[in-house]
Amino acid sequence: DVKVTQSSRYLVKRTGEKVFLECVQDMDHENMFWYRQDPGLGLRLIYFSYDVKMKEKGDIPEGYSVSREKKERFSLILESASTNQTSMYLCASSLLRGRETQYFGPGTRLLVL
Amino acid sequence: QQQVKQSPQSLIVQKGGISIINCAYENTAFDYFPWYQQFPGKGPALLIAIRPDVSEKKEGRFTISFNKSAKQFSLHIMDSQPGDSATYFCAARKETSGSRLTFGEGTQLTVNP
Repeated sequence: DVKVTQSSRYLVKRTGEKVFLECVQDMDHENMFWYRQDPGLGLRLIYFSYDVKMKEKGDIPEGYSVSREKKERFSLILESASTNQTSMYLCASSLLRGRETQYFGPGTRLLVL
Repeated sequence: QQQVKQSPQSLIVQKGGISIINCAYENTAFDYFPWYQQFPGKGPALLIAIRPDVSEKKEGRFTISFNKSAKQFSLHIMDSQPGDSATYFCAARKETSGSRLTFGEGTQLTVNP
């Protein structure tokens, strides 16, 4: 079974803090994704990566950056957290470019005060 | 700009009834249409998917109906059960976008016993 793990289930941070969300997958998948989930807005793509050290902007990249130094690990970084970044963050991976099934982690609920 | 629009936002069905969730898309370049199911505290998981060369796909109690000319697709859950209570997301993918998915807003389904 594919397993996607996220470093924290719940996180509380203060405005202006730098926040790191970590995601690890154990199935040697090429592709990794970061989404945020908000009620009524669905899943919105923040960033994705098709390979180590590669990244591409999704639909809402502003205020975020990512890092993929190893194939299995994809980190989402909030350089200076703001209250409007309070959300559920979901990481996903898929096997190859063009292989559509995405496998999701359980999510990190981030509260920015 | 929401490229995949999903309705209703919430749905309450009695046990044994039929649940119907609808999605509409704008981009005719979409060539793969999955549905994801998310239980509370979990990440979304692929439920069923369809490609536009067929008008219907059935897996157990779950059926996708696809209308290419209307640019609409829907999920039908027959004999709905309380265990089907979850949030459902439709999604779409363009062949040229690799594994990148565009998700709808989500539907929270409650099946009453």
